[in-house]
Amino acid sequence: LAKTTQPISMDSYEGQEVNITCSHNNIATNDYITWYQQFPSQGPRFIIQGYKTKVTNEVASLFIPADRKSSTLSLPRVSLSDTAVYYCLAPLGNAGNMLTFGGGTRLMVKP
Amino acid sequence: EPEVTQTPSHQVTQMGQEVILRCVPISNHLYFYWYRQILGQKVEFLVSFYNNEISEKSEIFDDQFSVERPDGSNFTLKIRSTKLEDSAMYFCASTAAQGLSSYNEQFFGPGTRLTVL
Repeated sequence: LAKTTQPISMDSYEGQEVNITCSHNNIATNDYITWYQQFPSQGPRFIIQGYKTKVTNEVASLFIPADRKSSTLSLPRVSLSDTAVYYCLAPLGNAGNMLTFGGGTRLMVKP
Repeated sequence: EPEVTQTPSHQVTQMGQEVILRCVPISNHLYFYWYRQILGQKVEFLVSFYNNEISEKSEIFDDQFSVERPDGSNFTLKIRSTKLEDSAMYFCASTAAQGLSSYNEQFFGPGTRLTVL
């Protein structure tokens, strides 16, 4: 299981782009890079996943370099409601595998 | 949009009592999970369940814990004799099995806050 490392916290202001980088040096061939978001007293919510290169959806973009040892979650033009904890995980690609959450990055968006 | 639901939202119990936490996963999903999060700490995996049996469990999931899918919709977590340290948010999650070549996201429920007095 790949261990992930990400900053404990980040501050930003409304309207800014936020980039959260995660390192996963021992990522394996079958591991996928996945990001979840968690608001206080709520369950984690899937944001985006990727294997390599760039993935974009309506919420975020995920940049993965060729060596896959790190990834960057990019949140465009954040708002106050994006204040949450963001988790970077690298679970196996096949269904049914447990998720191992670290401490995540606590993003605080200020007005 | 389909969602995982959990009941109750908050359960208060006395130490030593049995509790059953209930979850209704998304209807066409085949993998089910329980996680817990002690206040201020990480989300921790407890157990995964597939095809009516446990497929994986963590060290936390000892003999005091059991899971069951009693009918086609509910997925339950039972704690036989609660301890003070079982106080936490308990999250249920489910996944659709769509093959082995891509990641299948887990959909989490809103959680049950268990308070053991």
